[in-house]
Amino acid sequence: GDSVTQMEGPVTLSEEAFLTINCTYTATGYPSLFWYVQYPGEGLQLLLKATKADDKGSNKGFEATYRKETTSFHLEKGSVQVSDSAVYFCALSDLPGNTPLVFGKGTRLSVIA
Amino acid sequence: GAVVSQHPSRVICKSGTSVKIECRSLDFQATTMFWYRQFPKQSLMLMATSNEGSKATYEQGVEKDKFLINHASLTLSTLTVTSAHPEDSSFYICSATRTGISYEQYFGPGTRLTVT
Repeated sequence: GDSVTQMEGPVTLSEEAFLTINCTYTATGYPSLFWYVQYPGEGLQLLLKATKADDKGSNKGFEATYRKETTSFHLEKGSVQVSDSAVYFCALSDLPGNTPLVFGKGTRLSVIA
Repeated sequence: GAVVSQHPSRVICKSGTSVKIECRSLDFQATTMFWYRQFPKQSLMLMATSNEGSKATYEQGVEKDKFLINHASLTLSTLTVTSAHPEDSSFYICSATRTGISYEQYFGPGTRLTVT
């Protein structure tokens, strides 16, 4: 079945450091790929998405490029802020129609001033 | 747009009682809603898929008689945890997909259930 593997955390960075959170996937079809962010005590918010190969999703300074050849969708940000501290989930949706998301295990990011 | 609400946000109940959690799409119609469960510091585990006007589809290992799901309208799905036990304590999150837009899901803020 479909699966998502992302780097385990926790990740601790200083403010303004460069962030990379790796995500790779296994899917039978051509999935859409997502990054979700969960702030403490809250639900999930969509951070960015990409629906086909070579698409780049971007939002709030975060970027991720859909790489079909490496089945990857790594999340990057050039300069993190304390407010970016959260748990980040990589996810995919494989089939068309109303299908549930398959999530990675999540990566906790802590940014210190 | 595309806001999903959950009620209550937190609930504490005694062992053996039942708790109902509501999930509403506030500004769109949702043919399908999903219920997830999240344990501390872990990922979301899909519990069931709820389709308006039909029975929910439960994932393997989820007791359908314990976790009752009703999707009575295009904007409301409910999850009832029956005869709750402390091991049911968890964070329950719903999501909804817009009718006609297949791949994007909108998540509710979650409900923290504590069973004492």
